Amino acid sequence: QMQLVESGGGLVKPGGSLRLSCAASGFSFSDYYMSWIRQAPGKGLEWLSYISSSGSTIYYADSVQGRFTISRDNAKNSLHLQMNSLTAEDTAIYYCARDPWGPWRGGMDVWGQGTTVTVSS
Amino acid sequence: QSALTQPRSVSGSPGHSLTISCTGASSDVGGDNYASWYQQHPGKAPKLLMYDVYQRPSGVPDRFSGSRSGNTASLTISGLQSEDEADYYCFSYSATHGWLFGGGTTLTVL
Repeated sequence: QMQLVESGGGLVKPGGSLRLSCAASGFSFSDYYMSWIRQAPGKGLEWLSYISSSGSTIYYADSVQGRFTISRDNAKNSLHLQMNSLTAEDTAIYYCARDPWGPWRGGMDVWGQGTTVTVSS
Repeated sequence: QSALTQPRSVSGSPGHSLTISCTGASSDVGGDNYASWYQQHPGKAPKLLMYDVYQRPSGVPDRFSGSRSGNTASLTISGLQSEDEADYYCFSYSATHGWLFGGGTTLTVL
C-alpha cells in the first residue's frame, strides 16, 4: 500500500524555522519526482516545490524561493522541507505528494494526510 | 488570485451532469494536454481525478471525464452522487507562472 506520512509541523514564532519530513512506503521512492503543496486555512491549494528522483533538479514557487529548501534522502525513503524566515502567511497544512509522470505533466497521484504549520507569536 | 480561473461554486441535482471549467492561457492549459484535476473533501487530502487532461487513474469512476478546448480545461461529472460534493482544483504548468492550481470550485449536490 503506497503511503506518504508527513511530520514536523507545529507552532513557530514569526521569523522562525521548521523542518518538515515526509516518509514514503509501499513504492520505490527513489524512482519518483516528489512535491510539496500547502493549503492555508479556508483557502485553495498552492504548489510549493518539486524535486527530481535523484534530487539534482529542484523548482520552487516564487512565494518560497530563497526561504524554503526541498531535499530528499532516497536511502531513507524520506522527503524534507526546510522552512526559514516564516511569516503568518506560511500558516497552512503542508502536503507531500508523488508525481509519477514528471513535473511538466503535473499529475500527483499519492498524497500524504498533511501536517499543520502555524506561525504565530 | 490564481492565473487559472475556476468558477467559485457549482451545483447540481443527483443523477444530473455538470462541468467545471479551468481557464488559463496558451502558456499553461492551452499549451499542451497536461492539465490535471483534484477532488478534496473537507478535512481530507486532495485526490487525483484526472491527469493529462483526459486520463483517469485506476479507481476513479468513469462518471468523471476531462476535456480541453483552447485555453480551457474542463472536468465533467455525470450521474452526480452525494459523495461528489467536494472542492475541485485544476493544476497545470505555466511557462510564465510556474506550477499553478486553479482557485478551486465547491460542488454542491442539491
